[in-house]
Amino acid sequence: QQQVKQSPQSLIVQKGGISIINCAYENTAFDYFPWYQQFPGKGPALLIAIRPDVSEKKEGRFTISFNKSAKQFSLHIMDSQPGDSATYFCARDAGNNRKLIWGLGTSLAVNP
Amino acid sequence: DVKVTQSSRYLVKRTGEKVFLECVQDMDHENMFWYRQDPGLGLRLIYFSYDVKMKEKGDIPEGYSVSREKKERFSLILESASTNQTSMYLCASTSSREQFFGPGTRLTVL
Repeated sequence: QQQVKQSPQSLIVQKGGISIINCAYENTAFDYFPWYQQFPGKGPALLIAIRPDVSEKKEGRFTISFNKSAKQFSLHIMDSQPGDSATYFCARDAGNNRKLIWGLGTSLAVNP
Repeated sequence: DVKVTQSSRYLVKRTGEKVFLECVQDMDHENMFWYRQDPGLGLRLIYFSYDVKMKEKGDIPEGYSVSREKKERFSLILESASTNQTSMYLCASTSSREQFFGPGTRLTVL
């Protein structure tokens, strides 16, 4: 099954810095690209999602950028805070039955 | 708020035991999922159910079975637990795009 390639696997950022996580997918037949955030000891929760007819979506300090021609989308966390330390997963819809195809995750640590 | 609950947060079982992991959601969602999460391997789909008594294999169904007798409940069964099934197990449900996850069950098989 076509995967979603997520990078980096881990990321350390200083407080106030910008965290950037990238994902790439393999064809353009999908129309939903979410990002999930998982804190230790918790299940993942939807953070923000985008459709490919939109190039950018912003919610507070979190922004998804979507580049359809490059088949890439990325999450930017502006003014990163220690409370943002978590694992982040990108995904794409699987085309049917509400399944998602997941990236492998990025462990983000924001140092105070 | 949608609530997805899992029967245990931590579970320790012995090799060869039959293990039941229960998941209940309270939002009348049609679709429910079982994933396992291992370091560096992300979320891997074990089984998926799109209706009562309906199920579909995910990417790693070997060694697992599922049961969905009621819409709100989706059970994962390890017929004969093995040490390589030590993992975090996550249940999720959805009726649209957003998947709602339970807190997970950390299973250790000795």
